[in-house]
Amino acid sequence: AQKVTQAQTEISVVEKEDVTLDCVYETRDTTYYLFWYKQPPSGELVFLIRRNSFDEQNEISGRYSWNFQKSTSSFNFTITASQVVDSAVYFCALSEVIQGAQKLVFGQGTRLTINP
Amino acid sequence: EAQVTQNPRYLITVTGKKLTVTCSQNMNHEYMSWYRQDPGLGLRQIYYSMNVEVTDKGDVPEGYKVSRKEKRNFPLILESPSPNQTSLYFCASSLSQGAVAGELFFGEGSRLTVL
Repeated sequence: AQKVTQAQTEISVVEKEDVTLDCVYETRDTTYYLFWYKQPPSGELVFLIRRNSFDEQNEISGRYSWNFQKSTSSFNFTITASQVVDSAVYFCALSEVIQGAQKLVFGQGTRLTINP
Repeated sequence: EAQVTQNPRYLITVTGKKLTVTCSQNMNHEYMSWYRQDPGLGLRQIYYSMNVEVTDKGDVPEGYKVSRKEKRNFPLILESPSPNQTSLYFCASSLSQGAVAGELFFGEGSRLTVL
């Protein structure tokens, strides 16, 4: 069965520090997708990135970067030079297609607090 | 504007009183899903639908029903709500087709309290 583990329940750093959120996943499939979502204090869920299992290139988007390591089944998320607005709960998710249906499983989330 | 709309956003009800949370999307997405979010448990899938008249159970379907009579709507029905269904509910839709998993677009959430 698929599973996503975000071992860090809460992280607190001071503004401008770099911070990495860990995500480890389990799947038996060779074709799958990985996602990161952000949930700010207002409560909505904001899509950040999607990565398919065949694309192991790391991605950078401004201060955000993602490191996909198939060998360790990890898809870690790094925020460089963190800002107070980055404070949110971040969810990692894994999607497989099982018998033609998409099955998406979320991790428990990591609450990130950036202190001024 | 592309969006997923849920109603009501907030609801307090009593045990056993049937309620429906509506969900509507305007992106012509085939895939729709319901999740509940509880502290320490992340988001757990309740039901999902790959297309009109096609629905299936997620990880926590007990106590819930859904229907998909039209592509745009995917209501969540609690026939006899109980306090353990107090939670934050999210509806989502996606352009997922076959083996390709698309980005999920989420509604703003519905906070339900069952007394």
